[in-house]
Amino acid sequence: DSGVTQTPKHLITATGQRVTLRCSPRSGDLSVYWYQQSLDQGLQFLIQYYNGEERAKGNILERFSAQQFPDLHSELNLSSLELGDSALYFCASSVVPAYGYTFGSGTRLTVV
Amino acid sequence: SQQGEEDPQALSIQEGENATMNCSYKTSINNLQWYRQNSGRGLVHLILIRSNEREKHSGRLRVTLDTSKKSSSLLITASRAADTASYFCATGETSGSRLTFGEGTQLTVNP
Repeated sequence: DSGVTQTPKHLITATGQRVTLRCSPRSGDLSVYWYQQSLDQGLQFLIQYYNGEERAKGNILERFSAQQFPDLHSELNLSSLELGDSALYFCASSVVPAYGYTFGSGTRLTVV
Repeated sequence: SQQGEEDPQALSIQEGENATMNCSYKTSINNLQWYRQNSGRGLVHLILIRSNEREKHSGRLRVTLDTSKKSSSLLITASRAADTASYFCATGETSGSRLTFGEGTQLTVNP
């Protein structure tokens, strides 16, 4: 157990639907990062939150959004899902990037 | 696009041999990190080397960094079947707070 908890582990949903992925960071970590991993795109940075505020944005689609709550857990919302959104979605947390990230075990999203 | 590019994309060796993976990057960095990922699992942080360091060791791992060539290498000595995984380099850029990951090297250690 890395200390970063992601739920659910697996998710199968239909095109056009909306899903919410949840992440609880490791105790004491204020930064949360979301990454998408697919076979053809590798690990793509989506978005970072620090202590409740958006800190950096990467290749995140407009159909996707995220937030970090006062208790520091974060949610990634994916809407109007397409087949190409099928991927592993990872959450990671850190005190600061200079100390390395701790990754969760990921949510495998399958859009059918 | 990925900051780091690992080389080779895939490596297959016998147990007991050493494995060397290389990473090249493009921009100025604060640090470079290596991660391991077992199939379908989360990434695990292995080692971090700062931009002012040239070499670092951790157990059977040795990392080098050449900032003039914008490259790093990860050496795993006396490899074991349990080392079979994908290995990613990640760079922490001076201009930002996030890590950018390379494409990864798939290492297979045959017993």
